[in-house]
Amino acid sequence: DAKTTQPPSMDCAEGRAANLPCNHSTISGNEYVYWYRQIHSQGPQYIIHGLKNNETNEMASLIITEDRKSSTLILPHATLRDTAVYYCIVTYRDDKIIFGKGTRLHILP
Amino acid sequence: EPEVTQTPSHQVTQMGQEVILRCVPISNHLYFYWYRQILGQKVEFLVSFYNNEISEKSEIFDDQFSVERPDGSNFTLKIRSTKLEDSAMYFCASFSGRLIYNEQFFGPGTRLTVL
Repeated sequence: DAKTTQPPSMDCAEGRAANLPCNHSTISGNEYVYWYRQIHSQGPQYIIHGLKNNETNEMASLIITEDRKSSTLILPHATLRDTAVYYCIVTYRDDKIIFGKGTRLHILP
Repeated sequence: EPEVTQTPSHQVTQMGQEVILRCVPISNHLYFYWYRQILGQKVEFLVSFYNNEISEKSEIFDDQFSVERPDGSNFTLKIRSTKLEDSAMYFCASFSGRLIYNEQFFGPGTRLTVL
């Protein structure tokens, strides 16, 4: 699996867009980018995933650069409930998710 | 919305005792997993289970661990002789097919405390 690099922590003001970066410079052509989050010791929660096109769902948007070496998860209007650890995972496996350390996102009131 | 459930939410046991952690995956799912998270650390993969057998296990999943799907609805993790270092949150997860088409659902976890 390709390695990812995420900042250990970030702050975002409530109501603003939270942009979480992820570098995956060694990604290969068949590897997908997944984002999960974990709210304070709860079970991880799936957010979104993509291969090369930008993706959007009711929770977030995923922007993948053209060279696929980095991506950004966007939470359009962050709320206090979005305070969590966000995991960027890159894998070709379609049967297992392996978590790294993630980014601890603090939403500030 | 469908959900994975786990019982108990908190289990306290003495070192050397056996524990069984229980999970009820989402009913039409085919792939089942156990992960653990030691306090303050990352979520670690333990084992995956498909078609009534282990499909993959990590080096953490040694002979002290076993999994079972005894009745077609429950999925259990047994730790035969618990150690202090087994204290952690244990998460069960399931999904219905290939990850690129289906999200993986996680349960709320069981906090295991070994004294």
